[in-house]
Amino acid sequence: QLVLTQSPSASASLGASVKLTCTLSSGHSSYAIAWHQQQPEKGPRYLMKLNSDGSHSKGDGIPDRFSGSSSGAERYLTISSLQSEDEADYYCQTWGTGIHWVFGGGTKLTVL
Amino acid sequence: QVQLVQSGSELKKPGASVKVSCKASGYTFTSYAMNWVRQAPGQGLEWMGWINTNTGNPTYAQGFTGRFVFSLDTSVSTAYLQISSLKAEDTAVYYCARVGYWGQGTLVTVSS
Repeated sequence: QLVLTQSPSASASLGASVKLTCTLSSGHSSYAIAWHQQQPEKGPRYLMKLNSDGSHSKGDGIPDRFSGSSSGAERYLTISSLQSEDEADYYCQTWGTGIHWVFGGGTKLTVL
Repeated sequence: QVQLVQSGSELKKPGASVKVSCKASGYTFTSYAMNWVRQAPGQGLEWMGWINTNTGNPTYAQGFTGRFVFSLDTSVSTAYLQISSLKAEDTAVYYCARVGYWGQGTLVTVSS
């Protein structure tokens, strides 16, 4: 079964970097994912599509501070030079059989 | 630029129906599938299914069959989500989304 696992929470200091992880279930390590950001009281925003080889394509207007990387079944979102507006929920999402979308549970990022 | 603009918030009584619209602009409507995603209060993102904007053929995720209907009006580049026999547990924000873009969300509140 295709499942995405994310840590429920993460924190990092203003100006620092943070690396969020999304883990694909066994047998699905070749899958691409997408990262989405949801700031408080707002709708989700597409950040990027991240392939298994670490290549990624970002959405419109996404700053260079956001980058993606991959290792095996893990997909990472790195945010550098953290700003207060980066405090948000981050969801990974992938595509299952028949273009079904599957979401991870989300990671709540706190900027200290 | 690509935009998905959804209809406004709705307050409905249990047993009623609601129809949420999602008007697309800035791209060829029939070139991308349209997905629907639910977010219950304080919860994560839940994929409801998608509609093929070429054929109008809908696919519903488990748990979203029977009372949920996806439809299109390609003449006005608009997708619709209709929910019938509303229950209190249908209270949520509903989003339309295509690859790379999200609507702003529509809050549907079901309360007597």
